[in-house]
Amino acid sequence: RKEVEQDPGPFNVPEGATVAFNCTYSNSASQSFFWYRQDCRKEPKLLMSVYSSGNEDGRFTAQLNRASQYISLLIRDSKLSDSATYLCEDTGRRALTFGSGTRLQVQP
Amino acid sequence: NAGVMQNPRHLVRRRGQEARLRCSPMKGHSHVYWYRQLPEEGLKFMVYLQKENIIDESGMPKERFSAEFPKEGPSILRIQQVVRGDSAAYFCASSPELGTAFYGYTFGSGTRLTVV
Repeated sequence: RKEVEQDPGPFNVPEGATVAFNCTYSNSASQSFFWYRQDCRKEPKLLMSVYSSGNEDGRFTAQLNRASQYISLLIRDSKLSDSATYLCEDTGRRALTFGSGTRLQVQP
Repeated sequence: NAGVMQNPRHLVRRRGQEARLRCSPMKGHSHVYWYRQLPEEGLKFMVYLQKENIIDESGMPKERFSAEFPKEGPSILRIQQVVRGDSAAYFCASSPELGTAFYGYTFGSGTRLTVV
């Protein structure tokens, strides 16, 4: 099993929709994670952290489910500018581990 | 406060030549990480360095690839005798002493290597 797994998508949603995707992890000892956003041919940029208490930032909510070993990212009221690939990172390993990303395409 | 600086942004090499990619971490960051991203694929960890030390190189191919982070100057990722399969985006990231568990990564803009 891969250390961090994500559904590659693409998730095609209309503007204004709510979309959520998950990231499963194999290391039961991991306690903190990050979500990054990567636009086409650009570097990943830190979006938000995810700890046991979850995190909310505007339209974005991230949660951690330790029992089932996954983290989630929820985007409300999707904008065209949200179109990107979303990567999760497990900080619980020294060789820092990213999922392969979930591609989101928001359509007008 | 400049971010992570990578150069060159684009690099074209013929098969068999050497490629040298440079990364200067953010001011105050002492940890550097190199990742490779093949077209339409995710980030693959290559190597993690501190000044003058390789901490983890478990993602580095066994041959032709090497990395260093000298006491002075940028971190260098060196690829000898490049082949077409080395064509990819190479990203560098840095973090402060406490590591990414608290702060996450800051990435450079990447170097896009094309082997012809």
